[in-house]
Amino acid sequence: QITLKESGPTLVKPTETLTLTCTFSGFSLSTSGVGVGWIRQPPGKALEWLALIYSDADKRYSPSLKSRLTINRDTSKNQVVLTMTNMGPVDTATYYCAHRRGYYYYLDVWGKGTTVTVSS
Amino acid sequence: QSALTQPASVSGSPGQSITISCTGTSGDLGGYTYVSWYQQHPGKGPQLIIYDVSSRPSGVSDRFSGSKSGSTASLTISGLQAEDEADYYCSSYTSSSSLEIFGGGTKLTVL
Repeated sequence: QITLKESGPTLVKPTETLTLTCTFSGFSLSTSGVGVGWIRQPPGKALEWLALIYSDADKRYSPSLKSRLTINRDTSKNQVVLTMTNMGPVDTATYYCAHRRGYYYYLDVWGKGTTVTVSS
Repeated sequence: QSALTQPASVSGSPGQSITISCTGTSGDLGGYTYVSWYQQHPGKGPQLIIYDVSSRPSGVSDRFSGSKSGSTASLTISGLQAEDEADYYCSSYTSSSSLEIFGGGTKLTVL
């Protein structure tokens, strides 16, 4: 059974850097084609892709946020880490990580999400 | 890149069928068969219910079905049940990004 769990601070100040960790089980990021992505959802708004990392370390980023995002993996810990710099109030959202099975264009298992508020 | 266009809300009575549309362009929905749909209950993470236009993951009810015509994809829910009340999001591969794009979401109310 695949599970993913997001963790990180619930409150960050404007201009700070956010670091979120996705800890997963039931699969290995060493398996060819597997990926883990980050998606966010501002309160009452739609889903928005942030970043994706594949087992071969191929990384994909949202074009509009690329300059602020970094995604990395630690296969020994079964974790994927997302950092987002220069946080602002508009980045207040629930952040989800999700599993991608192979080089397909959908996310088949999602975490429950972690809520991040940006406020001074 | 712009989000896919979905109606903000739809509603139906128990037992009825409803359809949620998702409109894109030739660069995304219209050009590819990589359309997926997600169901999200309040306070929960999204759940994949349809992928590759019309395929259902194991465990998803066959009351959910997907289709596509041109640049518009559709999710149909037949035999509506109270538990179907949720937000629904479509997603599509797009040639203008290395990541897919989502629709704006549709809130389904079961009357």
